[in-house]
Amino acid sequence: NAGVTQTPKFRILKIGQSMTLQCTQDMNHNYMYWYRQDPGMGLKLIYYSVGAGITDKGEVPNGYNVSRSTTEDFPLRLELAAPSQTSVYFCASRPSGHNNNSPLHFGNGTRLTVT
Amino acid sequence: GESVGLHLPTLSVQEGDNSIINCAYSNSASDYFIWYKQESGKGPQFIIDIRSNMDKRQGQRVTVLLNKTVKHLSLQIAATQPGDSAVYFCAAKLPSGTYKYIFGTGTRLKVLA
Repeated sequence: NAGVTQTPKFRILKIGQSMTLQCTQDMNHNYMYWYRQDPGMGLKLIYYSVGAGITDKGEVPNGYNVSRSTTEDFPLRLELAAPSQTSVYFCASRPSGHNNNSPLHFGNGTRLTVT
Repeated sequence: GESVGLHLPTLSVQEGDNSIINCAYSNSASDYFIWYKQESGKGPQFIIDIRSNMDKRQGQRVTVLLNKTVKHLSLQIAATQPGDSAVYFCAAKLPSGTYKYIFGTGTRLKVLA
């Protein structure tokens, strides 16, 4: 299994541009998550999904959108990029069941700079 | 709001010594805890987890201790090796909802040769 795969690894955007961060997992996990990681801060949840067709906001959803058309894919869309969105973005997934007690499996991240 | 914090931003240990990384959480309702290792340029990697009905859990060279009375979690790494150099952070999950993992900021472990 490749696990959780994120593309691209790096991206530089100009203010106002848009882009989609791709995330795919091959573990047949129902739950998928998008986090951002800023220096000196813990991971902050942007959006999450409990299954295909179902998404919900996390702690910091403003400026982002997601979709979940398949179990495998969970892309994150940035519209009108702003410097405050400069960050490292991580996608994660986990299986359902286990009384909801299962660790998140993370991708290797997308480092985004908005200038 | 809920928080998870680590006691030291940086920890330096001699190769071969044991390392102890500490974490405190604020919400006593947290029912599941995870330790992650993050190397530079990579995503967090699962190390070990523990449920709230346990006090201790051991893995290969790692042990997690949970003290619910003082809301404290620790990760012990035995015989620390250069490959253990990384940022370590803990996460706590609340029992309600399917997404509420609260992440700490991390402790950078430096292994001295």
